[in-house]
Amino acid sequence: AQTVTQSQPEMSVQEAETVTLSCTYDTSESDYYLFWYKQPPSRQMILVIRQEAYKQQNATENRFSVNFQKAAKSFSLKISDSQLGDAAMYFCAYREAYGGSQGNLIFGKGTKLSVKP
Amino acid sequence: DSGVTQTPKHLITATGQRVTLRCSPRSGDLSVYWYQQSLDQGLQFLIQYYNGEERAKGNILERFSAQQFPDLHSELNLSSLELGDSALYFCASSVPGSYYGYTFGSGTRLTVV
Repeated sequence: AQTVTQSQPEMSVQEAETVTLSCTYDTSESDYYLFWYKQPPSRQMILVIRQEAYKQQNATENRFSVNFQKAAKSFSLKISDSQLGDAAMYFCAYREAYGGSQGNLIFGKGTKLSVKP
Repeated sequence: DSGVTQTPKHLITATGQRVTLRCSPRSGDLSVYWYQQSLDQGLQFLIQYYNGEERAKGNILERFSAQQFPDLHSELNLSSLELGDSALYFCASSVPGSYYGYTFGSGTRLTVV
């Protein structure tokens, strides 16, 4: 079964600095999708960024970028120029490309990010 | 507003009772997923429906059941509630095509006392 591991329960970053959140996953599939979700104190789940496994180019969304290492099964999230509003729980998630009708998301346990002013 | 509507937002009930959580997916989304998030846990997948049919089951207890109706809204029924069922229950929906992540509702906070 696929698993997603986030080894950092908590992280802290100074405002305007850069922080990297780690995620590793285990799968025997070659085609899949990876996601980072943000959950602020409001508890709403917000999609931050997505990556297709067959694409070598790392995804980027404004201040958010990923480092996708397929062979190492690693999918880290880099947040540049951190802002107070980035403080949240961040979840890494995996989804098979062809599982079931669409596959369900498998989540890691999350990393709580604090941003210091 | 994500487009996925969950009601109620908060629910307080006693042990042994039964509750129904409701979810309306985003327009055009055929799949509905239910997740449970306990205080110290990540998101646990419960069940998935696709266009009215059950497609996948995760760690869903026998006391829990769900269905998706012809208008695509879904209901999660929780019965014989226990203190440990207190959690945030999320509904999410998705468009066909695995590239897209889910769109989540704002969740229902269930407290069992």
